[in-house]
Amino acid sequence: AQSVAQPEDQVNVAEGNPLTVKCTYSVSGNPYLFWYVQYPNRGLQFLLKYITGDNLVKGSYGFEAEFNKSQTSFHLKKPSALVSDSALYFCAVRAPSSGGSYIPTFGRGTSLIVHP
Amino acid sequence: DVKVTQSSRYLVKRTGEKVFLECVQDMDHENMFWYRQDPGLGLRLIYFSYDVKMKEKGDIPEGYSVSREKKERFSLILESASTNQTSMYLCASSTSGDRTRRGIFGPGTRLTVT
Repeated sequence: AQSVAQPEDQVNVAEGNPLTVKCTYSVSGNPYLFWYVQYPNRGLQFLLKYITGDNLVKGSYGFEAEFNKSQTSFHLKKPSALVSDSALYFCAVRAPSSGGSYIPTFGRGTSLIVHP
Repeated sequence: DVKVTQSSRYLVKRTGEKVFLECVQDMDHENMFWYRQDPGLGLRLIYFSYDVKMKEKGDIPEGYSVSREKKERFSLILESASTNQTSMYLCASSTSGDRTRRGIFGPGTRLTVT
């Protein structure tokens, strides 16, 4: 079985400061990992993914995520937060061989609030 | 610009009504999914389909059914709506041609059952 934990319901950060949104996972084999963002009253938008290779993955809107196999983590980061980054962030994981449907498992979401 | 569309952004229905939520994708994707999103619970999979006329139960299928008569369209049906089905419903699609099966999501339908 695969699972994802986002230990923080909410993260608060001041504009201009670095931000981190945490994600840990459990899966058999080497994982595929994803981050999605949901702005108010919108659907989920894809931010970035990790398949293999470099542990630091760069994505949309200046976000990046670091894959750490030993800690089974895939934390989302940004060097300098913007007020417009305020949104709900979801981490997702799936095993590379999940059967025909290849369905990822999503975390419960973390609300990021960036203060001016 | 490829996309997933959902028929309604907001919907208000009465208890006991039959409700149809429609999802259409224009990417020729094989796989389509229905999730519901509730605060503190994240996304929970209701049903999915990996081919026309095929359907599989997800984690919370009770009270729902689905229909996939055409590749581009995946409908979620609430046979008799109840207040505990008030939620945000998200449709997604993915292609088996993408090794990661990354999901493309629609804008969501916020359903209120009174």
